[in-house]
Amino acid sequence: DQQVKQNSPSLSVQEGRISILNCDYTNSMFDYFLWYKKYPAEGPTFLISISSIKDKNEDGRFTVFLNKSAKHLSLHIVPSQPGDSAVYFCAHRDDKIIFGKGTRLHILP
Amino acid sequence: GAGVSQSPSNKVTEKGKDVELRCDPISGHTALYWYRQSLGQGLEFLIYFQGNSAPDKSGLPSDRFSAERTGGSVSTLTIQRTQQEDSAVYLCASSRRSMNTEAFFGQGTRLTVV
Repeated sequence: DQQVKQNSPSLSVQEGRISILNCDYTNSMFDYFLWYKKYPAEGPTFLISISSIKDKNEDGRFTVFLNKSAKHLSLHIVPSQPGDSAVYFCAHRDDKIIFGKGTRLHILP
Repeated sequence: GAGVSQSPSNKVTEKGKDVELRCDPISGHTALYWYRQSLGQGLEFLIYFQGNSAPDKSGLPSDRFSAERTGGSVSTLTIQRTQQEDSAVYLCASSRRSMNTEAFFGQGTRLTVV
């Protein structure tokens, strides 16, 4: 039973537009979330986090939104750039990190 | 180097042999995690260390898998009598503490069992 769900295996976005990556979770007690980006043949790279005491966290082109009532979070990337093409993982963090299955983002020229 | 270091980067082994994978975490990081990613799959949790103890081994797939951590630093993941389904990328991560903070990953060890 997946605790963290990324229901879109892939997403294609035009360069310069906004990329929105979605993630749902099952446990309303979850209170800290992470987003990672992964290129082929490399380890995941931490992007941004959010705690349940907030509903938004922003870092440059990356913003994460948390909707606790819907048990949903999303990562917005704006403007999207070619180097953003990668697999993005949403994760819940307590004493271990539980990942979703990832969404492959393609930025189109 | 300042990051998480894993060795070897690639390992090809014959079915039935034992393998050891090594992880050097970031200095001062007390928590250490092992994950694996099989082809086309997500990141599967294997085991987590806080210091030298492993509070959660729930992800280890079978008793052929074991891990240890010594001196609160280096960790080794051992797979005995390897099987073809063990082929995957094994990833190690470390963090300053075990809660509410990001973890940093190494580049992984690609294990191929032939």
